[in-house]
Amino acid sequence: AQKVTQAQTEISVVEKEDVTLDCVYETRDTTYYLFWYKQPPSGELVFLIRRNSFDEQNEISGRYSWNFQKSTSSFNFTITASQVVDSAVYFCALRGPNAGGTSYGKLTFGQGTILTVHP
Amino acid sequence: SQTIHQWPATLVQPVGSPLSLECTVEGTSNPNLYWYRQAAGRGLQLLFYSVGIGQISSEVPQNLSASRPQDRQFILSSKKLLLSDSGFYLCAWSQGFNEKLFFGSGTQLSVL
Repeated sequence: AQKVTQAQTEISVVEKEDVTLDCVYETRDTTYYLFWYKQPPSGELVFLIRRNSFDEQNEISGRYSWNFQKSTSSFNFTITASQVVDSAVYFCALRGPNAGGTSYGKLTFGQGTILTVHP
Repeated sequence: SQTIHQWPATLVQPVGSPLSLECTVEGTSNPNLYWYRQAAGRGLQLLFYSVGIGQISSEVPQNLSASRPQDRQFILSSKKLLLSDSGFYLCAWSQGFNEKLFFGSGTQLSVL
């Protein structure tokens, strides 16, 4: 069975602080995909990043960076110089391979982390 | 470009009433379609997914059903709503099994 744990329920920071959102996952699959989604107050989930299990390179996109460590089954997300607009719920998600016929790309989500950035 | 439409945005229904939420995708063909529910506590639960017309798989047996009458149309239904059906319902699509999901704007359902 797959499981995603986001231990931080809520995080509150002041603008311009750096913040890291933790994500730990469990899977028996050797091939899998990890995702981060952002859910602003509007409710719609916005895709941020997809990472496959073969590629452990860290990725940076503007103020966002992701640290994937297979050895610790973690896929942490860091926002540098946070802004008020970053306030949202952030979800980490895991998807197994489609082989086997039952996966069909189903995502297993963590419970989410509420990030509040104060001005 | 591809877009996903989901309606209504909010819905208040009495217990025992029927439900129909609709989701349509534009700009793509043969997408995988999904219904998720986000209950209190913010976790997202997969309810149904579909890989083609008339093909529906249920993840959690419950008071809801789904149908896919057309390639890009996905409907979530219930004959009799329960209080526990309240929540935020999200439709999503993906092109391919391991591609990212694109979500609709969601429907906030309150069953009273």
